[in-house]
Amino acid sequence: EVQLVQSGAEVKKPGESLRISCRGSGYSFTSYWINWVRQMPGKGLEWMGRIDPSDAYTNYSPSFQGHVTISTDKSITTAYLQWTGLRASDTAIYYCARGYSSGWSDFWGQGTLVTVSS
Amino acid sequence: DIQLTQSPSFLSASVGDRVTITCRASQGISSYLAWYQQQPGKAPKLLIYAASTLQSGVPSRFSGSGSGTEFTLTISSLQPEDFATYYCLQLNSYPYTFGQGTKLEIK
Repeated sequence: EVQLVQSGAEVKKPGESLRISCRGSGYSFTSYWINWVRQMPGKGLEWMGRIDPSDAYTNYSPSFQGHVTISTDKSITTAYLQWTGLRASDTAIYYCARGYSSGWSDFWGQGTLVTVSS
Repeated sequence: DIQLTQSPSFLSASVGDRVTITCRASQGISSYLAWYQQQPGKAPKLLIYAASTLQSGVPSRFSGSGSGTEFTLTISSLQPEDFATYYCLQLNSYPYTFGQGTKLEIK
């Protein structure tokens, strides 16, 4: 069974660093991309970027480039989304999703709620 | 960036109704479009990819059509579990972009 299991909810202060994770199982981890998607409270979906776990090649949305880093550790079939200076506006649910090279994602993680508040 | 505009943003309908949601792209995207359904508090679920291909396990009452700049998602006979928010997603060029969403509510 294909599964993407994300790390638990986080509460952080502005300026702090954070890394959330997404562990894939039940499929060949390096055969599919991992996409990250943001959903701010009560709002729609925003594509942040994606990574190819086979070679760590990434694409970022300009809206997020420079503020987040997407990485992967294929030895433990896990992808990461990282911030070095959180802002209150980063408060959102973050989803990872298994993606095809053609772009669409079929299996999604359960989401990680990140709350940034002083 | 390619902009996707969904219409309507809100839709009120009854069980058994046929509904259509439209997604218009600001430039041609061939058939690089997917449709997702999101229930409250849940992750999105893939319904349609490549504009018209039904994802495995998705009921046949869902269908997609279109290419270029105009696309539609049709639900032929609404079921209670279909009341949710629907998003289109373009995969033609980076950055990938979602439509603003269509919330389908029970009349």
